Amino acid sequence: QSVLTQPPSVSAAPGQKVTISCSGSYSNIGSNYVSWYQRFPGTAPKLLIYDKNKRPSGIPDRFSGSRSGTSATLGITELQTGDEADYYCGTWDSSLNAVVFGGGTKLTVL
Amino acid sequence: QVQLQESGPGLLKPSETLSLTCTVSGDSVSSGSNYWTWIRQPPGGGLEWIGCVDYSGSTKYNPSLKSRVTISLEPSNNQFSLELSSVTAADTAVYYCARGEGYSNYPIPYWGQGTLVTVSS
Repeated sequence: QSVLTQPPSVSAAPGQKVTISCSGSYSNIGSNYVSWYQRFPGTAPKLLIYDKNKRPSGIPDRFSGSRSGTSATLGITELQTGDEADYYCGTWDSSLNAVVFGGGTKLTVL
Repeated sequence: QVQLQESGPGLLKPSETLSLTCTVSGDSVSSGSNYWTWIRQPPGGGLEWIGCVDYSGSTKYNPSLKSRVTISLEPSNNQFSLELSSVTAADTAVYYCARGEGYSNYPIPYWGQGTLVTVSS
């Protein structure tokens, strides 16, 4: 059972917007910003969003992140079929003294 | 460009010790404020942080694995390593080495390609 809670799957049509939620507690999301990762089958995760909605070089601004209390949200606009992947949230948990992740959300672009 | 590459045996028997090495290029494991990190992902499962070591050799471990894990630096080879003792089938996973940023939010921008370790008798 993951410390952070994500929906197992989400879906949307090409060109539409989708959001993926990540729910935690004060000791993780409530205290530290979440990072979001994209993972295609057979490849390593890629950092998409970190800190307060920062994107590494090369990540398009179609990807965005936000936080409210003990929940975080990844937003993806202008969906493309190439966005079909698994998405994970993760951050430091100050009580566990460990990095914690969500269980992952599979995005399907219909 | 920072690159990481895992190496080590891909098949172990129950009760053996898993030993993996991560070779780093484009950065030094013995300087800076980064967390040299191990993460694993079991088949069909999610990501699990195993632990990390910083440039000074100071370590942090996942409480659920702490009794079996050792992560250490090998500065002369610009490597860091993972040892996980008394493995069982539940330790079967893809193991990633990675570089985490050394502050509280702990984003992880650099990952190795991952190596599959299977535990089977």
